[in-house]
Amino acid sequence: DAGVTQSPTHLIKTRGQQVTLRCSPKSGHDTVSWYQQALGQGPQFIFQYYEEEERQRGNFPDRFSGHQFPNYSSELNVNALLLGDSALYLCASTIIQNLNTEAFFGQGTRLTVV
Amino acid sequence: DQQVKQNSPSLSVQEGRISILNCDYTNSMFDYFLWYKKYPAEGPTFLISISSIKDKNEDGRFTVFLNKSAKHLSLHIVPSQPGDSAVYFCAASADGNMEYGNKLVFGAGTILRVKS
Repeated sequence: DAGVTQSPTHLIKTRGQQVTLRCSPKSGHDTVSWYQQALGQGPQFIFQYYEEEERQRGNFPDRFSGHQFPNYSSELNVNALLLGDSALYLCASTIIQNLNTEAFFGQGTRLTVV
Repeated sequence: DQQVKQNSPSLSVQEGRISILNCDYTNSMFDYFLWYKKYPAEGPTFLISISSIKDKNEDGRFTVFLNKSAKHLSLHIVPSQPGDSAVYFCAASADGNMEYGNKLVFGAGTILRVKS
């Protein structure tokens, strides 16, 4: 049973560029959440997707957008990259109807903006 | 506004002794609390959780205690092993609140070093 998989594992981009990160949820999971973890901090919630729609959003600018596909996989897009966007981006999956259960995380994508 | 706080950036413990990691929260809507462990170059791995209707949950060497009146939870690891050395994150969610949803709010983490 494959867990949550993310690609790529590492990425280097230049300021002002755009980036797309990808996530495949754990088998049987229908909800995908994205988190940003800056150095020395805990993961910060970006947004959550369910049924191909953004269900919740954290305190991130509109430069951060996402998408969920019919097979439940998801993409995170960041436009007009800033140096401060350098971080580990984590994808987590859950089952929407299962309350009080853990989220499963991928290994993350390390984004460096230069 | 840090709703979940882990005030100890690091903790060093001798192998075989008890490790106690602490976490405080401010949002009364939180009703589910989790601990995740993270090794370098890996994603967070779920360790143990507790619902707000309980005050203790135990799983092998790991026990989580919840004190709702103090808005405080702690993770006890007994006995500590060198393989437990990692970053530990406390997280909270408000699953019972449809508006707040089940997003996880994390603390900044505590680095645990278990010395052999």
